[in-house]
Amino acid sequence: SQTIHQWPATLVQPVGSPLSLECTVEGTSNPNLYWYRQAAGRGLQLLFYSVGIGQISSEVPQNLSASRPQDRQFILSSKKLLLSDSGFYLCACLSGTGLETQYFGPGTRLLVL
Amino acid sequence: AQTVTQSQPEMSVQEAETVTLSCTYDTSESDYYLFWYKQPPSRQMILVIRQEAYKQQNATENRFSVNFQKAAKSFSLKISDSQLGDAAMYFCAYRSLYSGAGSYQLTFGKGTKLSVIP
Repeated sequence: SQTIHQWPATLVQPVGSPLSLECTVEGTSNPNLYWYRQAAGRGLQLLFYSVGIGQISSEVPQNLSASRPQDRQFILSSKKLLLSDSGFYLCACLSGTGLETQYFGPGTRLLVL
Repeated sequence: AQTVTQSQPEMSVQEAETVTLSCTYDTSESDYYLFWYKQPPSRQMILVIRQEAYKQQNATENRFSVNFQKAAKSFSLKISDSQLGDAAMYFCAYRSLYSGAGSYQLTFGKGTKLSVIP
């Protein structure tokens, strides 16, 4: 089964600073990869998904972007953070012959001050 | 578009007792998946159980079972012999069986916070 790593675990950044969150996956190949955001006390919001290297689909217009430079690497970025970007960011992976279940990484806590 | 509703923002259960969390969904599709995920204080999302809509038999995983009522579009989670480690947020999620764009994205409810009383 796959293992999903997210880095960093926690991040405190000033408004206007850049952002780079990384997600890497082990134990599988050609996965679908997803970035979700969870604001405090709320459900999960899908931000981006990728079905392959260089292929990114955006679900919500915002100042964030995503890239997939390698098969098992998914990066979430921003050039200038906003206060509203604070939240918990989860990376998820969907793979296997049945493409049935998304599995999640441990998440990154982002606080923008 | 599909929607998922969890009408119980918070619930509590006595340790060793049974609790049922409710979930309803709205869809025009006939084939889909339903999931329950658990989010403990660490906030990592953990799969609890999955149900395929084409299967009439309710899914079970040890102390966790579901009551899937397709016609009523209801998907409740029953936790038997509740343990302190079951305390968490529980999210119900829907996924279409097929995805033309390849997204296979999940639609989540807003969650139910379960407390377990010792």
